Amino acid sequence: GQNIDQPTEMTATEGAIVQINCTYQTSGFNGLFWYQQHAGEAPTFLSYNVLDGLEEKGRFSSFLSRSKGYSYLLLKELQMKDSASYLCAVEGVYGGATNKLIFGTGTLLAVQP
Amino acid sequence: DTGVSQNPRHKITKRGQNVTFRCDPISEHNRLYWYRQTLGQGPEFLTYFQNEAQLEKSRLLSDRFSAERPKGSFSTLEIQRTEQGDSAMYLCASSEPTGSTYEQYFGPGTRLTVT
Repeated sequence: GQNIDQPTEMTATEGAIVQINCTYQTSGFNGLFWYQQHAGEAPTFLSYNVLDGLEEKGRFSSFLSRSKGYSYLLLKELQMKDSASYLCAVEGVYGGATNKLIFGTGTLLAVQP
Repeated sequence: DTGVSQNPRHKITKRGQNVTFRCDPISEHNRLYWYRQTLGQGPEFLTYFQNEAQLEKSRLLSDRFSAERPKGSFSTLEIQRTEQGDSAMYLCASSEPTGSTYEQYFGPGTRLTVT
């Protein structure tokens, strides 16, 4: 089966660090994406991991462990504008079709002053 | 090019009516995807095209749904005989190869409400 799990909601304080976890079980693996989605808007790309380890991009970092089926998104120096839903998505191999993304339900992050 | 565009942004229709949505991908992106998203959920894959060829269609799609990409550029998604359960945000995304993967760029979505 295919399953992607992430917490439904998280709350953090402005200026702090927050880690959003994602575990997955999918048919094949061709990479893991993190997207940010503000209410009523389209998802926007944050990061992509295909090899184990940490990818850093400014205030955002993403980690992957393929053997554990685990990833996390780390947000540093939180700002109020970071309040959004964060979607974990796995690109798997499903039948003959690659590059199809399977999304988790998203983690709604609320940043408080 | 400013990104993926979708029209209309909002659509309210009565149950049983047909609706059609349009997606214009980023120029020269050869792959186009349709997803559906309901409140509190992540996007669910519906179908995708490489150029004009529809390569996969999710089992989520009933026979009432059809998608086309006749010239390998814009795409349309039609829902016939709409039902209240079709109420959702319909997202379109496009991609081209970026290294080893195809990064998907999403449009703003079409929010469908079936009354």
